[in-house]
Amino acid sequence: DQQVKQNSPSLSVQEGRISILNCDYTNSMFDYFLWYKKYPAEGPTFLISISSIKDKNEDGRFTVFLNKSAKHLSLHIVPSQPGDSAVYFCAASAGGGSQGNLIFGKGTKLSVKP
Amino acid sequence: EAGVAQSPRYKIIEKRQSVAFWCNPISGHATLYWYQQILGQGPKLLIQFQNNGVVDDSQLPKDRFSAERLKGVDSTLKIQPAKLEDSAVYLCASSSGTGDDGELFFGEGSRLTVL
Repeated sequence: DQQVKQNSPSLSVQEGRISILNCDYTNSMFDYFLWYKKYPAEGPTFLISISSIKDKNEDGRFTVFLNKSAKHLSLHIVPSQPGDSAVYFCAASAGGGSQGNLIFGKGTKLSVKP
Repeated sequence: EAGVAQSPRYKIIEKRQSVAFWCNPISGHATLYWYQQILGQGPKLLIQFQNNGVVDDSQLPKDRFSAERLKGVDSTLKIQPAKLEDSAVYLCASSSGTGDDGELFFGEGSRLTVL
C-alpha cells in the first residue's frame, strides 16, 4: 500500500506560468516532507522541505504548502522555466528529518514548454 | 565538495549471476543509504547504515541481497543470485545525520539489467 501518492504521472506547463505538483500521504506519523528533483541519468537532488509544524516554506521560485488535516502537500514553481523540466519526487519521513527512512512517491514528470 | 560516487554506472547480467555495486559517500557523512528504484517507481530504501552499523534493513531481501560498510566509509551492495525483477537503478545516498533538514545527497546510481 502506497503511503505517499503522486497521482499525476505528468504535467505540462508553459514557460512563465505556475507549476503545481501535488502529493498525498496516508501515514499520520509522517512529520517531515521533502521534494526531490531528478534529471535523466542523474540521482535525485534535494529541492525543498517542510516540517509538519509549518504550513508553508518558500525558497526562491519554489514554495511548498502542507495541509495536515487533508494529508496533502503541494509544490509551486513560479515562474516555471524550461530548466525545471524533470521528474519531481515527493518524500516523507517519520521521526524527524534525517533520522527517518524516506518514503518516496512515484514521481511527476514536469515539462515546461518555451 | 565531491558528491556521492557510485560504480559501475551500468551492469548487464544474466539471471542467477551475481553483481556488486560500490558507493563512496560524501566525506564526513555518517549515514549511508542504498535505495532501489524500479522503472516508473520512486526510490525504495533497502538498507540504512549509521557509521558501520545497520540502522534499518527491514526491506532488504536478505536471501539474495547483502550490504556492508566495514570501515564506516565506503559501502558495497551485492546481489546473488540475481532475478529478473532486480532490474532497477540502485541509488546510494548519504547524509550528515545532524540537524533536521532531512537532506539526502544521492549518487548518479548504478543501473542493473538482468536478462
